Amino acid sequence: DSGVTQTPKHLITATGQRVTLRCSPRSGDLSVYWYQQSLDQGLQFLIQYYNGEERAKGNILERFSAQQFPDLHSELNLSSLELGDSALYFCASSVEGRQWDEQFFGPGTRLTVL
Amino acid sequence: AQSVTQLDSQVPVFEEAPVELRCNYSSSVSVYLFWYVQYPNQGLQLLLKYLSGSTLVKGINGFEAEFNKSQTSFHLRKPSVHISDTAEYFCAVRSNSGGYQKVTFGTGTKLQVIP
Repeated sequence: DSGVTQTPKHLITATGQRVTLRCSPRSGDLSVYWYQQSLDQGLQFLIQYYNGEERAKGNILERFSAQQFPDLHSELNLSSLELGDSALYFCASSVEGRQWDEQFFGPGTRLTVL
Repeated sequence: AQSVTQLDSQVPVFEEAPVELRCNYSSSVSVYLFWYVQYPNQGLQLLLKYLSGSTLVKGINGFEAEFNKSQTSFHLRKPSVHISDTAEYFCAVRSNSGGYQKVTFGTGTKLQVIP
């Protein structure tokens, strides 16, 4: 158990809908990362937050957005969902968010868009 | 641009045999290198990382990796694999460009340990 929790575990929804994925980092970790893992795109970094502020952005679509709240939990919002958004979404956390910090991954949320 | 290539998508190996999982990268800036393991239905777990210093890095579960700057490689090795090593392994590169952190993962190598 990494100490990172993600809810829900599974999510099934329809195209055009909007969903919110939630992540609680390890106690004491200030930085949160979001990743998408799909069969065709592999593992892709989406976005990083550090202490409530956006720190780095990867291949995140404009339909997707995220935020980190004062209690350090984070939410990833996916809107206007398409079939291709079906994937495993991982959240990870680290102490400071530096490039060399170890990231601890949550178990993921499996999103299925029908 | 930054990229990571894991040449082998699947590697079958007999139990107690040695294994090498290959990773090559390209980047125009200095990078930090990582290997992660993903067991079925789980998130990623860090095996080891290279930041600087000795080019031979030892990680958890008996794995080690060697950073070769001239060949831009960071191959993962284990002298004797166990059934429990069956998993998918990802090589990753992190860099800082213009003050922004960039993370790139390889496509993964599935290690199948045969009893």
